[in-house]
Order: sequence, then C-alpha cells, then structure tokens
Amino acid sequence: EIVMTQSPATLSLSPGERATLSCRASQSVGSNLAWYQRKPGQAPRLLIYDTSTRAAGIPARFSGSGSGTEFTLTISSLQSEDFAVYYCQQYNYYYTFGQGTKLEIK
Amino acid sequence: QVKLVESGGGMVSPGGSLRLSCAASGFTLTDYYMSWIRQAPGKRLEWISYINGTGKSIYYADSVKGRFTISRDTVKKSLYLQMNSLRSDDTAVYFCARGGMTKLDWFDSWGQGTLVTVSP
Repeated sequence: EIVMTQSPATLSLSPGERATLSCRASQSVGSNLAWYQRKPGQAPRLLIYDTSTRAAGIPARFSGSGSGTEFTLTISSLQSEDFAVYYCQQYNYYYTFGQGTKLEIK
Repeated sequence: QVKLVESGGGMVSPGGSLRLSCAASGFTLTDYYMSWIRQAPGKRLEWISYINGTGKSIYYADSVKGRFTISRDTVKKSLYLQMNSLRSDDTAVYFCARGGMTKLDWFDSWGQGTLVTVSP
C-alpha cells in the first residue's frame, strides 16, 4: 500500500496570506496525485488532479506542483471560504489518501 | 449536472447487515469507474471498493474483502454496497464517488455521504 503523509496537520493563517500544504508518498506515484477540499457536512470537492490541473470551476489561486513522492498545494491568497480540511490522494496504484491538513483562521 | 445521492445508512448491531444505495444522475453509470469511500471518526478517507464501467472489474480493500459486495443497477441508475458481518470499526460516513472512464483516476464527483454506526 502506498502511504500518503500530509504536513502540517494544522495550518493557522489569516485571510490574504499564502498557504502551502505538503503531501509525501511512500513510493513514487508519478503525477497521479489529486487534492480535495472538505468542509464540515459537505462532500469532498476536487480541486486539483494530475498534480497540477485545476478542476472545473476552481479559482486560479489554487495551484499544485510536484512529482514522484513530493507534492504541494498552494493557495496564493486565502479567502474566508478556503478554511477547510485538505486531502491529497494518489491513484497510481489503487487509491490512498493523506490524513488531511486542517487550514484554520488565525 | 452530475449528482450522487447516498442512502441506506443507519445504526446496526455488530454482525448485522446494511445495504447502501447511491442514486446517480447527469451521466451514464456504465461509462465510469464508481467507488465507495468511507471516513471513520477522526480517521483519513479510506477507499473500499470500485466497479468499472463494464462491470467486469471489481476490487475491494482488504479491510472489507469477503464481507462487502459492490453492485449496480443500470436501469435504476444506482450503485449499491451490501455490507455483511459488520464490525464496530466499520462505523463511518460512506461516500460514493465517480472516477475515471477508462482507468482509476481522481474522483470528480462525490455524494454527501451516509452515516453507518455499528454499535451493540
């Protein structure tokens, strides 16, 4: 099983600041990496797939980068609606998810 | 508009059974890989099963293999998860999600989830 590890567990930032979330895979997943946003009581929302492609309707302030085992989700300027939990997921070999990063308002 | 709506969750005793349903609309079920994913309290998302577009490829995570069965009804446009021999560690919110058309891919649409509680 490919283990996905996200850091930090919690990120406290203010609106307007830049957020950088990390995801590490226990072995290479190529570029087969997606990011999701989840708010309480809501379904997960796809943000990024294939490491860096924004899903339909996702604002340009969200960007993804990386390859192999190291990946990053960047939110360039935080809006109030961005505070949520973010998960990375690999789909190179079946599916596994990271444990999540909670992005909270400072 | 793609929409997925789960139902069938509830409280069940250990060893019991439940059948979850996922009503799909806005797309053709047989064109996509469809999966069930769950999230236990305080735990990460866990993918547990998929069925491909043709229905000929089905896979289960080790945690549910032999106890859970995925199926679908193309006429009713629904995906199902039959859960038998339930255990306390099956307690979770269960989601259905749409994957790729020809291979395992990201999940571009998810349902809201249905809560399953396994408790004496």
